[in-house]
Amino acid sequence: DQQVKQNSPSLSVQEGRISILNCDYTNSMFDYFLWYKKYPAEGPTFLISISSIKDKNEDGRFTVFLNKSAKHLSLHIVPSQPGDSAVYFCAARWSNYKLTFGKGTLLTVNP
Amino acid sequence: DSGVTQTPKHLITATGQRVTLRCSPRSGDLSVYWYQQSLDQGLQFLIQYYNGEERAKGNILERFSAQQFPDLHSELNLSSLELGDSALYFCASSIDRDVYYNEQFFGPGTRLTVL
Repeated sequence: DQQVKQNSPSLSVQEGRISILNCDYTNSMFDYFLWYKKYPAEGPTFLISISSIKDKNEDGRFTVFLNKSAKHLSLHIVPSQPGDSAVYFCAARWSNYKLTFGKGTLLTVNP
Repeated sequence: DSGVTQTPKHLITATGQRVTLRCSPRSGDLSVYWYQQSLDQGLQFLIQYYNGEERAKGNILERFSAQQFPDLHSELNLSSLELGDSALYFCASSIDRDVYYNEQFFGPGTRLTVL
């Protein structure tokens, strides 16, 4: 049973445009959500997070939106840059500290 | 560089064998997490240790075990290896000194290939 789902395995956008990566979850007990970015041959790196008591968190070009009623979160990257090309993982935490990850979305930003 | 180190980087072995993966957390981090990433799968949480003690368990097989030593480094032992155990194994660490979420920092991973 996959509690965190990233339904788009890949996404391709043009440099300078907006990238929107989506994530759905099923467990209403999740209280913290995170996005990780992963380049080939490297471990995932933390990008941005949001608490379940908020609906938006912004950090530079990256904004995460949380819609609790729809159990949906999204990551917006504006403007997209070629260096943003990577696999993006959505993750969710329940109070027992462990993170549940989605399968990832491969973002390709074309120059 | 996250500050988390994992050795070895690559490991090739045969079915039925046993291997040990090693992880050194960031300086000051008390928690170590182990994850498995198989082909077409997201990161699957295996197990967490906090200051030497097991804190949380995920989808870890009975053939797998882990421990965290007094110097806080951790080892993941995989035994009776099967072809399906071929995967990337990541270690992550975090401070976990309070009840609020602490970011997990990931190591570069160990790629295990079972032939």
